[in-house]
Amino acid sequence: KQEVTQIPAALSVPEGENLVLNCSFTDSAIYNLQWFRQDPGKGLTSLLLIQSSQREQTSGRLNASLDKSSGRSTLYIAASQPGDSATYLCASTTDSWGKLQFGAGTQVVVTP
Amino acid sequence: EAQVTQNPRYLITVTGKKLTVTCSQNMNHEYMSWYRQDPGLGLRQIYYSMNVEVTDKGDVPEGYKVSRKEKRNFPLILESPSPNQTSLYFCASSLGVTDTQYFGPGTRLTVL
Repeated sequence: KQEVTQIPAALSVPEGENLVLNCSFTDSAIYNLQWFRQDPGKGLTSLLLIQSSQREQTSGRLNASLDKSSGRSTLYIAASQPGDSATYLCASTTDSWGKLQFGAGTQVVVTP
Repeated sequence: EAQVTQNPRYLITVTGKKLTVTCSQNMNHEYMSWYRQDPGLGLRQIYYSMNVEVTDKGDVPEGYKVSRKEKRNFPLILESPSPNQTSLYFCASSLGVTDTQYFGPGTRLTVL
């Protein structure tokens, strides 16, 4: 069974610093890996999806990489802002019925 | 606006009183699913639907029912709610099984 781990569980950085969020998974036979953002008491917002055949995806200040051989994905957020404060979740799909296996998330606080 | 909507957003009920949480998407997505989010347990899939009239169990289906009579709607039914079903529930949809999944705003359910 796929296990997804996100370390650290919490992270605090000053505004302007680059954020590096880690996600590791045990089963490299993934269909894709997706990064989400969750604000307190709110739903999940999809940030980036990396398909199994891709190495990275970029959107604005966000860049996500995928290394299946080492079972890792990294989300980079450039020049962090207080509005980036949220919990970031990664999730992978390893089966043909689309179930997302989530990590526990990294809670990020960006201080002004 | 492309979105997944859920109703109600908040619900407090008593043990044994049947309830339905509705989910609707306006993106013509084939795939829909339900998750619950609990502290310390993360997000877990309850049920999913590959397309109309095709549904199947996820990881934690006990105590829940679903139906998919129309492409856009995927209601979650709790026939006899119990306190252990107190949770934050999310509906999600995607074009296909391995495409970006979009989540609704969540329904916070409390069963007394």
